[in-house]
Amino acid sequence: QSVLTQPPSASGTPGQRVTISCSGSSSNIGSNYVYWYQQLQGTAPKLLIYRNNQRPSGVPDRISGSKSGTSASLSISGLRSEDEADYYCAAWDDTLSGLYVFGPGTKVTVL
Amino acid sequence: QVQLQESGPGLVKPAETLSLTCTVSGGSISGYYWSWIRQSPGRGVEWIGYIYYRGGTSYNPSLKTRVTISIDTSRNQFSLRLSSVTAADTAVYYCARSHGGGSDYWGPGTLVTVSA
Repeated sequence: QSVLTQPPSASGTPGQRVTISCSGSSSNIGSNYVYWYQQLQGTAPKLLIYRNNQRPSGVPDRISGSKSGTSASLSISGLRSEDEADYYCAAWDDTLSGLYVFGPGTKVTVL
Repeated sequence: QVQLQESGPGLVKPAETLSLTCTVSGGSISGYYWSWIRQSPGRGVEWIGYIYYRGGTSYNPSLKTRVTISIDTSRNQFSLRLSSVTAADTAVYYCARSHGGGSDYWGPGTLVTVSA
């Protein structure tokens, strides 16, 4: 069982905005950066957001991340069919001498 | 464009040692942290550990007694050894470059099955 909590699923129609939450604790999200990854079916995860709200080169600005306290969220606006994927949050956890933890993932479906 | 590729046996017997190598191309292995991450239906996405190009390591505490990550900068490769494997170690294993705390380049992954 992950120390980070995500809803198992989220959905929206093309053009809509979808927001995915990620809840943690003071030892992970509360004191460290949050990262978000997108995993398309059958492929490796891809970094979407680093350091809470920074986008790597090539990630469109309709993708955004935020953090408040021990929770974080990923928003996808202008939803497109190619956004259908699994999304994982991740953060370093300060317990047990350092551990990079991933959330259980949220499956986004484009209706 | 940095590319990573995992290689190694796809089938390992219980109690034996899983060994994988990641070859980095299109860029230098120097200056970065390099990670191993695995994914299975039962355990989700699990960070195994990382190695700095100078050799310093950090491992997942739950795997620490069984894991060794090493690096060969002359070959632009780093490797994973996981000893005393069980069926619970069956997973897709990914190598990745870690930069700024996140993993920005990943290999395609390799399925390792633990079975007699």
